[in-house]
Amino acid sequence: AQRVTQPEKLLSVFKGAPVELKCNYSYSGSPELFWYVQYSRQRLQLLLRHISRESIKGFTADLNKGETSFHLKKPFAQEEDSAMYYCALSDILTGGGNKLTFGTGTQLKVEL
Amino acid sequence: GAVVSQHPSRVICKSGTSVKIECRSLDFQATTMFWYRQFPKKSLMLMATSNEGSKATYEQGVEKDKFLINHASLTLSTLTVTSAHPEDSSFYICSARERRMDEQFFGPGTRLTVL
Repeated sequence: AQRVTQPEKLLSVFKGAPVELKCNYSYSGSPELFWYVQYSRQRLQLLLRHISRESIKGFTADLNKGETSFHLKKPFAQEEDSAMYYCALSDILTGGGNKLTFGTGTQLKVEL
Repeated sequence: GAVVSQHPSRVICKSGTSVKIECRSLDFQATTMFWYRQFPKKSLMLMATSNEGSKATYEQGVEKDKFLINHASLTLSTLTVTSAHPEDSSFYICSARERRMDEQFFGPGTRLTVL
């Protein structure tokens, strides 16, 4: 069975401070990891996926297979980063267009 | 870009009635759509995978006779909650697979309240 764990329900940081949202996973196959974001009153949208190795809105995430982690990081938090962040997993063979398992989400609050 | 709509956005019904929720891909064809349920302050739980022209694949623990899914066209999937009860009250979200981008695009969700 596959499982995604986000240990923090709420993360509060000051503007300009570094951010790290934790995500650990458990999966016996070859995983593909994603971060989705949901801004207030908006729908869920893809932020980034590990295979693309992109930096989106200043966020990066590196897949660490040894630690089975995919933590989301940003060096300097901005007020507009306040949102709900979900880590998700799929099988790399089926990709992002198929069955996703979500973590429980972390609410990021950036304070002035 | 790929847009997914859901209708209605909010519905209130009496216990024992059935409710239909529509999920549409507006600017792309989706052979696969997904239905999720989200409890307050909790994660999205995949209920079923909807495949155009064939039967839906339900996740373990999801009653297929209670949550009827129909994917009759490449742009429309429907979820019918039959004989709804208060415990079915939840936020239901659909997503559609855009094959070229290999990505799921999510609808805005439907808030179901069963009295």
